[in-house]
Amino acid sequence: RKEVEQDPGPFNVPEGATVAFNCTYSNSASQSFFWYRQDCRKEPKLLMSVYSSGNEDGRFTAQLNRASQYISLLIRDSKLSDSATYLCVVNSPAGTALIFGKGTTLSVSS
Amino acid sequence: NAGVTQTPKFQVLKTGQSMTLQCAQDMNHEYMSWYRQDPGMGLRLIHYSVGAGITDQGEVPNGYNVSRSTTEDFPLRLLSAAPSQTSVYFCASSLTSGGGTDTQYFGPGTRLTVL
Repeated sequence: RKEVEQDPGPFNVPEGATVAFNCTYSNSASQSFFWYRQDCRKEPKLLMSVYSSGNEDGRFTAQLNRASQYISLLIRDSKLSDSATYLCVVNSPAGTALIFGKGTTLSVSS
Repeated sequence: NAGVTQTPKFQVLKTGQSMTLQCAQDMNHEYMSWYRQDPGMGLRLIHYSVGAGITDQGEVPNGYNVSRSTTEDFPLRLLSAAPSQTSVYFCASSLTSGGGTDTQYFGPGTRLTVL
């Protein structure tokens, strides 16, 4: 089983749609969880951290289920500018590195 | 602040050549790391450093060397380039030595082709 698994997509949605991405991780000792965003041919950038109680940042909501080792990202009212690859990221058990999923590609069209 | 800078942006090498990818950050970050990104593989950690003078191997260290003589700089050396090292290389840094807990700031990447 890969350490961090994501549905690669692509997800093709119209503007205004709600879309959800899922991610599972294999090591129960991981303690830190993130979603990064990567635009085409650019560097990854932090979108948001994911907390146990769930957290929201504008149109973006992240959830964590430690028992199922499952992370999700919900994007409401999708914009054209949301088109990107979304990377699910967890920390290594030693805490010294990040482990990246392969990413889920989102394409929002008008 | 310039953030994390990488040079060169693009590089073409012949098999067997050596070269150094440069990475610098001006944020006084303790932690620095190098990743490679290949199609369908995601980002994979090559080497990392939790502070000046301290380096360690990541998931895919073979064929690469690093050193961290200053807080600001973390160069990645390819000893004898191979076509399998064709990739996009990203350098990243974070504030504290706990690289797995802080926000990582990435440089713009170096696109390397080995012929």
